[in-house]
Amino acid sequence: DSGVTQTPKHLITATGQRVTLRCSPRSGDLSVYWYQQSLDQGLQFLIQYYNGEERAKGNILERFSAQQFPDLHSELNLSSLELGDSALYFCASSVGAGDGNTIYFGEGSWLTVV
Amino acid sequence: GQNIDQPTEMTATEGAIVQINCTYQTSGFNGLFWYQQHAGEAPTFLSYNVLDGLEEKGRFSSFLSRSKGYSYLLLKELQMKDSASYLCAVRSRADRGSTLGRLYFGRGTQLTVWP
Repeated sequence: DSGVTQTPKHLITATGQRVTLRCSPRSGDLSVYWYQQSLDQGLQFLIQYYNGEERAKGNILERFSAQQFPDLHSELNLSSLELGDSALYFCASSVGAGDGNTIYFGEGSWLTVV
Repeated sequence: GQNIDQPTEMTATEGAIVQINCTYQTSGFNGLFWYQQHAGEAPTFLSYNVLDGLEEKGRFSSFLSRSKGYSYLLLKELQMKDSASYLCAVRSRADRGSTLGRLYFGRGTQLTVWP
């Protein structure tokens, strides 16, 4: 158990819908990362927050958005869902800035868009 | 940008030793990680190298050569439970104005251990 908690574990929804994935980082970690893993793409970095502020952006679609709240939990919002958005979405956390910060992953949220 | 290459698949037998190679090209290198991922589960941290040389941790060791853009993960005394995907990930040097660097993952090497 990495200490990173993600909900829901599984989610099935229809195209065009909107879902919210939730993440609680490890106790004491200030950085939260979101990754998307699909069969054909591998692990793709989406976005990173540090202490409530967006710090890095990867291949995140405009239909997707995220935020980190004052209690450091984070939410990833996926809207106007398409079949291709079906993937495993991982949240990860690390202590914070600087070198040598190991990133620990949650168990992931399986999203199936039908 | 980042370019990380590792073999797609490898097989080995129980008790054997296997070496999984990873080569990378990055605009700014700030550390290399190895993660293990069983199908449908979270990647779990195995090792971290930022300086050249070998880091040993039990049955697993990881090596880094920054000048060659090369790393390997060495797994000894293989067990059936080691069958998993092994992900090489490179941390980039932080963007200007930030002290944080993001992690770029390779596609992973699927290792199958046979009895």
